[in-house]
Amino acid sequence: DAGITQSPRHKVTETGTPVTLRCHQTENHRYMYWYRQDPGHGLRLIHYSYGVKDTDKGEVSDGYSVSRSKTEDFLLTLESATSSQTSVYFCAISELSEQYFGPGTRLTVT
Amino acid sequence: KQEVTQIPAALSVPEGENLVLNCSFTDSAIYNLQWFRQDPGKGLTSLLLIQSSQREQTSGRLNASLDKSSGRSTLYIAASQPGDSATYLCAVGYGNKLVFGAGTILRVKS
Repeated sequence: DAGITQSPRHKVTETGTPVTLRCHQTENHRYMYWYRQDPGHGLRLIHYSYGVKDTDKGEVSDGYSVSRSKTEDFLLTLESATSSQTSVYFCAISELSEQYFGPGTRLTVT
Repeated sequence: KQEVTQIPAALSVPEGENLVLNCSFTDSAIYNLQWFRQDPGKGLTSLLLIQSSQREQTSGRLNASLDKSSGRSTLYIAASQPGDSATYLCAVGYGNKLVFGAGTILRVKS
């Protein structure tokens, strides 16, 4: 399995609070991605990174920001969480074509 | 905008049957196509990656084909087993991003 960890694995937070999810890889892959998975919508891309400090928006980026200060870490921040951001969040990495996924973080916003 | 459709949405078969899962996409200008497996509450496991220049890929009892011109891919599972029960996701790649279908939920009965 690709060396990808996500933390925390589960989180419950209140509306309006900031939340940061972390993705850590040990593969030294160039590309890193954040997706959310929701019933009826499948997996949708939030943001991705193509190198340290190089990021771009995905399909559903509103309300999210990202940062990548080191090759191995990619952070996803919800500046002010809303109930619509309750979801399962997956991180993925790739070097050439194939993407490998982390175990996911289940976030509940109450 | 690329759209990916998977048919059927759910499938239940007796153990030992050969089966086919279908994936169609609207824009044939893809770089590759990837099939994943997802077990309940888990992350995605990459099964097969087909580059746009390839027609098929095989791994054990799995065979995936790609017809770019018609916008279709199929995943063939031979001699199905109860352990194959999972959700199967198709994703088309363009640039370094993936667009996912909603998945096919497979149940193999013993």
